[in-house]
Formats: sequence, C-alpha cells, structure tokens
Amino acid sequence: QQQVKQSPQSLIVQKGGISIINCAYENTAFDYFPWYQQFPGKGPALLIAIRPDVSEKKEGRFTISFNKSAKQFSLHIMDSQPGDSATYFCAASMRVQGAQKLVFGQGTRLTINP
Amino acid sequence: DTGVSQDPRHKITKRGQNVTFRCDPISEHNRLYWYRQTLGQGPEFLTYFQNEAQLEKSRLLSDRFSAERPKGSFSTLEIQRTEQGDSAMYLCATDETGTGGTEAFFGQGTRLTVV
Repeated sequence: QQQVKQSPQSLIVQKGGISIINCAYENTAFDYFPWYQQFPGKGPALLIAIRPDVSEKKEGRFTISFNKSAKQFSLHIMDSQPGDSATYFCAASMRVQGAQKLVFGQGTRLTINP
Repeated sequence: DTGVSQDPRHKITKRGQNVTFRCDPISEHNRLYWYRQTLGQGPEFLTYFQNEAQLEKSRLLSDRFSAERPKGSFSTLEIQRTEQGDSAMYLCATDETGTGGTEAFFGQGTRLTVV
C-alpha cells in the first residue's frame, strides 16, 4: 500500500513534443505529490508538486494533472527540450509526526531528441 | 546547489570495512532524512531526524547501519562490515514546511562502491 507505480520506464520524445509520465498510488492517506528531476551523478531536485485538493498545477512548461478518484497523477512537459533529458521520479508522502517521508516511483528515463 | 552538502561524493571500500558519510543540512531546516538509491531505482527512505532525535528507522536499516545527528546540526551515517549489497547512492535531504507545503532539498549524494 506504500508503493507508487510509475510508467513508462523510459521515454523518447522529439524536441518540441509533449512528454507524459504517469504514476499511480494506493494509500489514500498520501497528501503531497512531488515530481523530482535527477541528472546523472546528482541528487534529485524538486520540479513541481501538488496537493490533492487541486486537479492541476502548472509551472512554466511543466504541468501536474491529478485524479484523486483514480489515485493517479501525471507530469506533462510541454515543448520538450534536449536539456530536459534526465530521469524523472514521482513521489508521494503523508505527514507523520511533522515529517514527510517520501515514497518514490521507479523512475522514467526521458530522452529528448534534437 | 541546494545548500545540502554531502561528503565524500564517492567512496570505494573493500568488503568488511567500515565507512562513514557526512551530511551538512540547510541551517534552518530541523528535519533531516537519509535515503538510499540503487542503480535504476528511486530513492528509498532509511531514517530521519527531528533536531537531534532519530524518530524513525526503516527496516532497510540493518544493525550494521547507524546514524547520528549530534546537536541537531550535521548528520553522519555509518555502515559497519560493508557488504557488496550496500553499494548504492546515499542521499541526504532536509525540509521545511512553508505556507505552500513541504519541499525536500536533496544533497548530491555519496556513491558507495563495495568491492
């Protein structure tokens, strides 16, 4: 019930296209859903996050769509650029004793072809 | 640079040796987390501290692992009698809660290779 399932494992998109990565969760107590971007040899960096009281959040070219009833959320990257090539992780967490322990998906390796 | 500093960045050790990693958090963050990330996988939670108190440990944290955060500042993660299965990236993260929610800041990680 603590798992977060992410798909696809890898994704190749042409420059200028839309990249879409999907995640699903089981635990309805999760109340925070961030997406992280990770480049080789670096730690994950927060890209965008959403809470379940909204269905969509947009920041620049990045949009999270959230479907509470289906327990699914997705990341859309518009106008994908070669610099977006990285591994993307969705995550979910709930606050316990003040802490937010993140449960990560398996990751999606995104390649943007120029 | 997130402001979370980890040292060393890379560590190669022989099986059976002890290793210690250090994490220096963002100074105003009172919560500090350790995660482990194996190749091709997402990070997995190991343990966390609120100030100097270690409040939760994952079952992934065997008896050979110990973490400390003296005086609620930097933290260390020690692995005793390392095994090849301990080879992974060890990530430290700190967080704060603002009006918009919680953002965890990760360090660059320490990549451990046990040979």
